[in-house]
Amino acid sequence: NFMLTQPHSVSESPGKTVTISCTRSSGSIASNYVQWYQQRPGSSPTTVIYEDNQRPSGVPDRFSGSIDSSSNSASLTISGLKTEDEADYYCQSYDSSVVFGGGTKLTVL
Amino acid sequence: EVQLVESGGGLVQPGGSLRLSCAASGFTFSSYWMSWVRQAPGKGLEWVANIKQDGSEKYYVDSVKGRFTISRDNAKNSLYLQMNSLRAEDTAVYYCARESTVTPRMDVWGKGTTVTVSS
Repeated sequence: NFMLTQPHSVSESPGKTVTISCTRSSGSIASNYVQWYQQRPGSSPTTVIYEDNQRPSGVPDRFSGSIDSSSNSASLTISGLKTEDEADYYCQSYDSSVVFGGGTKLTVL
Repeated sequence: EVQLVESGGGLVQPGGSLRLSCAASGFTFSSYWMSWVRQAPGKGLEWVANIKQDGSEKYYVDSVKGRFTISRDNAKNSLYLQMNSLRAEDTAVYYCARESTVTPRMDVWGKGTTVTVSS
């Protein structure tokens, strides 16, 4: 099976834009959809991006997703950062089984 | 309201067994793949197992194969995880999650139940 590698942590100031990467170790990132989940402390994960770049209803358009076949990676971009965006973010994909990335702690300071 | 409620967690000794349950409501349970996902203290999410709508297909992460069994009872709108030969590294919050009908992604999560394996 493959692995999804994310940076352990990122930080940025309110109002700025941050991008979190998710690199697939083997196989093409474009072969299977990538999802992004947000998890605040003490809460269950919620979806912020599904199927590479789709936003569930209720998720603000400050959140966007993309994939880059040249780097075999997916990215979650959050623009106009708010303090409420501070959370852990996980990418997820699949082939024969479901795979999660290790998670990225976003600090908004 | 679509809801998943886990139960059955607790403290168990290494080598012991535990059965987790997940009660589903607000949707047609028998129409969805279902998953268990766990999160060790201070760690990331780890997919554990999933099961097809009719129970005919089941998949597991390598670390639990032969020890854990996922099952479901569509008449009771319930998902289960039988965990045997528990190890300290199985200590985690266990989430029940519904998978989307289109792709293997989790679109509904429960609040989780905590399993602690310790002597």
